[in-house]
Amino acid sequence: NAGVTQTPKFQVLKTGQSMTLQCAQDMNHNSMYWYRQDPGMGLRLIYYSASEGTTDKGEVPNGYNVSRLNKREFSLRLESAAPSQTSVYFCASSDKQGQGLSNQPQHFGDGTRLSIL
Amino acid sequence: AQSVTQLGSHVSVSEGALVLLRCNYSSSVPPYLFWYVQYPNQGLQLLLKYTSAATLVKGINGFEAEFKKSETSFHLTKPSAHMSDAAEYFCAVRRRAGSYQLTFGKGTKLSVIP
Repeated sequence: NAGVTQTPKFQVLKTGQSMTLQCAQDMNHNSMYWYRQDPGMGLRLIYYSASEGTTDKGEVPNGYNVSRLNKREFSLRLESAAPSQTSVYFCASSDKQGQGLSNQPQHFGDGTRLSIL
Repeated sequence: AQSVTQLGSHVSVSEGALVLLRCNYSSSVPPYLFWYVQYPNQGLQLLLKYTSAATLVKGINGFEAEFKKSETSFHLTKPSAHMSDAAEYFCAVRRRAGSYQLTFGKGTKLSVIP
């Protein structure tokens, strides 16, 4: 009963390096999300995918790209890492946001702690 | 744009005392409201959600929250705090129609004093 799995759990990068954060869910959810969490800021949405084949920008998309590889997997890529992207990244998923299902909660992974030097 | 305000970034209570964590939202239409809990080095876990079926919502671990439209509030309470309740709590709101996005408050860290 894994739920949402994120890899890696920890990573240290140098400024300018690239990296892809992986996320997979086994709950057959349609929607997936990437957030970043910074002290005192709560969670901020980076990108989301309402369904397989679609992606949309969230509140803080600059410096990131995403790929919805299939229904299970949603990856987040940093093309040229900057110190301002040091954060904890969370992936989440939720069931279809159709009529009557808009109250479906999001299920979160345990996060990837990323430090950029 | 809707927003969520959590009053108090840090709340301390004694073990056995009442827990009250405050959340106010701004929205022209009552939204869907959620409370999540985050234990150290873990992801967020759903505590409870308001979806208009009832204004008093019961969640896991003895927590409950009351939706008050007149006050645009959704405060989280627990009658008697346990040491295991020490964590960070987030209130979140989703607009009712056609939105996939959750807007989170900045969080309230709860400390429980033995």
